Amino acid sequence: GDSVTQMEGPVTLSEEAFLTINCTYTATGYPSLFWYVQYPGEGLQLLLKATKADDKGSNKGFEATYRKETTSFHLEKGSVQVSDSAVYFCALNTGNQFYFGTGTSLTVIP
Amino acid sequence: DAGVTQSPTHLIKTRGQQVTLRCSPKSGHDTVSWYQQALGQGPQFIFQYYEEEERQRGNFPDRFSGHQFPNYSSELNVNALLLGDSALYLCASTDFPDRAPLHFGNGTRLTVT
Repeated sequence: GDSVTQMEGPVTLSEEAFLTINCTYTATGYPSLFWYVQYPGEGLQLLLKATKADDKGSNKGFEATYRKETTSFHLEKGSVQVSDSAVYFCALNTGNQFYFGTGTSLTVIP
Repeated sequence: DAGVTQSPTHLIKTRGQQVTLRCSPKSGHDTVSWYQQALGQGPQFIFQYYEEEERQRGNFPDRFSGHQFPNYSSELNVNALLLGDSALYLCASTDFPDRAPLHFGNGTRLTVT
């Protein structure tokens, strides 16, 4: 079945460090891929998306490229800030339903 | 422009009881989905409502049921509560059913004792 696998956390980085959170997927069709972010006590917010192979989603300095050959959608940011501390979820949708990864907790220290 | 709103924010129930959670979708959205998020886990799909009918359902027992009203708002009902039903219940809406991004509410934290 369709599924998403994320790198396990927690991840702790110093401010201005480079961030990578790995995400790979398994899907029977041609999924759309998403990254969501969840701040404490809140619901999930869409961070970025990509709907077809080689698309790059970007928002707020975060980027992810839809790699069909490696079935991956890794999240990257060149310089993290304290305000980026949150839980990040990779997700896919093949038109049937959304499948989420287990989340990766990120803490950025000053 | 109001986003997705859920009520109540917190709820404490006893095993065996029944609970109803409520959701109003983002303005302009007609499709509502419900998710269960256990502590430290990603959201798990419960079901989706569109045009007042259950369109999709995840791997949840019949104790979980729902409803969508003509104004697109929705309810999630859980009967015969178990301790394992303790979780954050998230409502999400979209403006058409398929691959549009989900817009989430802040959730209802249900604790079953």
